[in-house]
Amino acid sequence: EADIYQTPRYLVIGTGKKITLECSQTMGHDKMYWYQQDPGMELHLIHYSYGVNSTEKGDLSSESTVSRIRTEHFPLTLESARPSHTSQYLCASNPSERPTQYFGPGTRLTVL
Amino acid sequence: KNQVEQSPQSLIILEGKNCTLQCNYTVSPFSNLRWYKQDTGRGPVSLTIMTFSENTKSNGRYTATLDADTKQSSLHITASQLSDSASYICVVGDRGSTLGRLYFGRGTQLTVWP
Repeated sequence: EADIYQTPRYLVIGTGKKITLECSQTMGHDKMYWYQQDPGMELHLIHYSYGVNSTEKGDLSSESTVSRIRTEHFPLTLESARPSHTSQYLCASNPSERPTQYFGPGTRLTVL
Repeated sequence: KNQVEQSPQSLIILEGKNCTLQCNYTVSPFSNLRWYKQDTGRGPVSLTIMTFSENTKSNGRYTATLDADTKQSSLHITASQLSDSASYICVVGDRGSTLGRLYFGRGTQLTVWP
């Protein structure tokens, strides 16, 4: 059982609000990822990090930003949410020596 | 273009029956292939991971096969249970970049009826 947590699980907010999606893992994994997934569609990588103070953009362009100040914490921030940001956001992590990624439960975001 | 295609898109079977899900990919250079199970509203959970040299791997009632020559994989579920109802996602990793990026299929939605 993977120890990776995401909060909130569900979030409904109005357009223009600033939001932060939290992701934490207690496994000491170096690598962490954020994916975006729409219903019935594949996961798309939007951000990743290989360690503290390391962040990179993924394949899918996103207006969100991330930070990695601590190994266990990888929050994602949207400065001004829009309806087009409505989606499920999944956080994942893995140690450098093993490729299997462990996923959190996800945050389902709805922007009205 | 690197792609992962899964079939069928959805499948309904009766409890206790077996089923096989298919995955075809064009990812190159190939590194590994993973099968994940994703329950509704949850994050994916890893079932199996196979490298180029492996052509079968089991995890309980789940058996994955890999044919790296034809770039095909299958996931066989034996004696299905109601709890097997989920989306099964095929993921292929490449080794052509430092990231070792992953390519995700759209998943097969499996429903097991009593």
